[in-house]
Amino acid sequence: KAGVTQTPRYLIKTRGQQVTLSCSPISGHRSVSWYQQTPGQGLQFLFEYFSETQRNKGNFPGRFSGRQFSNSRSEMNVSTLELGDSALYLCASSLSAVNTEAFFGQGTRLTVV
Amino acid sequence: AQTVTQSQPEMSVQEAETVTLSCTYDTSESDYYLFWYKQPPSRQMILVIRQEAYKQQNATENRFSVNFQKAAKSFSLKISDSQLGDAAMYFCAYRTPLGFGNEKLTFGTGTRLTIIP
Repeated sequence: KAGVTQTPRYLIKTRGQQVTLSCSPISGHRSVSWYQQTPGQGLQFLFEYFSETQRNKGNFPGRFSGRQFSNSRSEMNVSTLELGDSALYLCASSLSAVNTEAFFGQGTRLTVV
Repeated sequence: AQTVTQSQPEMSVQEAETVTLSCTYDTSESDYYLFWYKQPPSRQMILVIRQEAYKQQNATENRFSVNFQKAAKSFSLKISDSQLGDAAMYFCAYRTPLGFGNEKLTFGTGTRLTIIP
């Protein structure tokens, strides 16, 4: 069974640009969560989707958005990139909104220059 | 808001020895879940062990076990017979059950574990 797949693995963008990151959950998993990991702030929750609906959102500006498709794949978008958005973005999937065991992908390393 | 504290930024242990990583948390909830995740240099977060707060028995997974002290809000991870492959960042995490309105994982700042051959 394939694990959580995040694409791309690495990304370099310029300030002011926008970026879209993709996450394919484990087959059959319907819940997808996104986290931002930085050396200064650690791991911070961005948002969680279940059955195409955003159920929870972390304390991030509106430049950060996401969506989930009918096949449970999820994308997150960051507009008007800032240098501080440089981070490892991790996606996690779980079987359902009830099941609390989350499986993580290898992340997308975003560098904003 | 729930908080998770890992007071040991770095730890080291001789191969084959035992090491304990500390974690404390703060919550007003009575029902919740606690986890230890491992993040090796590959960056992928790997679930090591989980503990349901309503269970008094400490969770065990092979060489990994926890000491869960609910009253003290303490959740330490013991790694026995340490192996080189155990070298990684270890994160303690907390999550509320479904229905509490904010079912996210709250992570500690991590402990970097080095295994000395």
